[in-house]
Amino acid sequence: DGGITQSPKYLFRKEGQNVTLSCEQNLNHDAMYWYRQDPGQGLRLIYYSQIVNDFQKGDIAEGYSVSREKKESFPLTVTSAQKNPTAFYLCASSIVAGVETGELFFGEGSRLTVL
Amino acid sequence: GEDVEQSLFLSVREGDSSVINCTYTDSSSTYLYWYKQEPGAGLQLLTYIFSNMDMKQDQRLTVLLNKKDKHLSLRIADTQTGDSAIYFCAESMGIRNTDKLIFGTGTRLQVFP
Repeated sequence: DGGITQSPKYLFRKEGQNVTLSCEQNLNHDAMYWYRQDPGQGLRLIYYSQIVNDFQKGDIAEGYSVSREKKESFPLTVTSAQKNPTAFYLCASSIVAGVETGELFFGEGSRLTVL
Repeated sequence: GEDVEQSLFLSVREGDSSVINCTYTDSSSTYLYWYKQEPGAGLQLLTYIFSNMDMKQDQRLTVLLNKKDKHLSLRIADTQTGDSAIYFCAESMGIRNTDKLIFGTGTRLQVFP
């Protein structure tokens, strides 16, 4: 079945460590996104990529890094520079060209807790 | 600036109608969306409305758009316990509709028997 797979679902990290969250999609979508969700704050965009080997910062990119070496993969690294990394992270994808509605397809999320 | 606002909580009795409200700031948005998030999961698109429409109905869902007041609402008829979730409205900001979606804070709908 086509979809978006995020891993791990739960992750614990010590302060000062980098951690990488995986996001893979087999929908053949061009665009991929990372959002952060905190209680009462909705979703905030971290990074997005419209095409392989290209990505743009979202509203809260500081302390995060991404890569887009393959169309189906968009990993997110939470670095030690991120001051408050404990959150629920959501990856999404969408078709870019030829679709009017701009629907995002989301993964199940990864919950990161910094101890 | 870009801001999409929603009330945080709504509680309704099973069988009643639910109305979830949203205000947005960018009058140039092309599409406005309602997404649903069940506990511990990602978001799923429920419905969307094009900015030149006032209303859209899809089974138990009715979306109303008031462009003058920049107000969007989602009405769920005959609300069921399975409708309990967080509902997010979102507006598209870019030239292409997926360039950037701005999400609201989400409204947690609780349905009690």
